[in-house]
Amino acid sequence: GAGVSQSPRYKVAKRGQDVALRCDPISGHVSLFWYQQALGQGPEFLTYFQNEAQLDKSGLPSDRFFAERPEGSVSTLKIQRTQQEDSAVYLCASSLEGQLTEAFFGQGTRLTVV
Amino acid sequence: AQSVTQLDSQVPVFEEAPVELRCNYSSSVSVYLFWYVQYPNQGLQLLLKYLSGSTLVESINGFEAEFNKSQTSFHLRKPSVHISDTAEYFCAVRSGGYNKLIFGAGTRLAVHP
Repeated sequence: GAGVSQSPRYKVAKRGQDVALRCDPISGHVSLFWYQQALGQGPEFLTYFQNEAQLDKSGLPSDRFFAERPEGSVSTLKIQRTQQEDSAVYLCASSLEGQLTEAFFGQGTRLTVV
Repeated sequence: AQSVTQLDSQVPVFEEAPVELRCNYSSSVSVYLFWYVQYPNQGLQLLLKYLSGSTLVESINGFEAEFNKSQTSFHLRKPSVHISDTAEYFCAVRSGGYNKLIFGAGTRLAVHP
């Protein structure tokens, strides 16, 4: 597709449930990022992939959060045993490599944990 | 660690008035700066960026920002705003050798008729 695609757009989960959020980056983009945006806040970095390699996961808030990109294209962010504080919009972004590039963002998945 | 401060959480302004959204950053290395706009229920869209070269950068819809190294600022300006400019604006700095972005908390621009 022309842009970064995320699914589902909205997800309601009961506390304790596991969820999986999907990101389809722009074709050919080597780099992929996940961000978490809490209500009224700016996005916060979660993790970064270069192709299939997860090079930075310093922003993952706990070991309940897990991300993968097995074939260097589609990525999945999984949250196990969801808690209310996980409620946020999860944004995916992709970019080409290099210093003079920019990141393109998807529309996000709004996760509500009840 | 790098950080971004957006000094105003909300900026109300009347249509056709000028506006400035303030952004200050902290960084001890080469700086790459961005402004993103987020319309309701949409993702982030790049508005403009400073990567190198001229310190004054412009967008296609009339916004401009100036990189000021001495004041560590990257304020966003528009001489005359429209109702359609109502949105959340985020300033960001690139951290590290790849496109990892550190965002400010955002400024909600509300343009009134």
